[in-house]
Amino acid sequence: EVQLVQSGAEVKKPGESLKISCEGSGYIFTKYWIGWVRQMPGKGLEWMGIIYPGDSDTRYSPSIQGQVTISADKSISTAYLQWSSLKASDTAMYYCVRFSTSFDYWGQGTLVTVSS
Amino acid sequence: QSVLTQPPSASGTPGQRIIISCSGSSSNIGGHSVSWYQQLPGTAPKLLIYNNNHRPSGVPDRVSGSQSGTSASLAISGLQSEDEADYYCAAWDDRLKGPVFGGGTKLTVL
Repeated sequence: EVQLVQSGAEVKKPGESLKISCEGSGYIFTKYWIGWVRQMPGKGLEWMGIIYPGDSDTRYSPSIQGQVTISADKSISTAYLQWSSLKASDTAMYYCVRFSTSFDYWGQGTLVTVSS
Repeated sequence: QSVLTQPPSASGTPGQRIIISCSGSSSNIGGHSVSWYQQLPGTAPKLLIYNNNHRPSGVPDRVSGSQSGTSASLAISGLQSEDEADYYCAAWDDRLKGPVFGGGTKLTVL
């Protein structure tokens, strides 16, 4: 059974750094793109970027580029989403997703709250 | 402003058939397959339709999708209370070089 299990909720202050994770299981991790999707409070879904764990090829949404870093460690079947300096506007639910021609499997979501 | 345009809301009564539209352009829906997602309150989205009109296992056949030109639609027949959710369309976009979502449609079962 394909599963994407994300790390737990985080509460951070503006300016702090953060790295959240997504562990894949039940499939060959290196053979599928893994993406991150943001959902701000009360809003819709927004694609942030994707990574191919097989060769670490990474693509970012133009609106997100430079604000976050997406990476993956194929030895432990885990993808990451990282911020070096959080802002209040980063408060959102973040989903990791497996991507082929569609987002076919979703993680449970990681709620990130940034507040002073 | 989302790249793909969906009506913000839709409603129907139990047993009714509803259709949710998704409008795009030649750089997305016009050249790539469309997928649809259902997000029940407080949960992660779930794939409902892929490649325009294919259902993953477990999705009932009263749910269907279609695509024509630069538009797509999701139809749900035999509406049930458990269909009350937010629905999103998505497609690859050549200009943005990535997938794009519609703004979402909140379906209310009256």
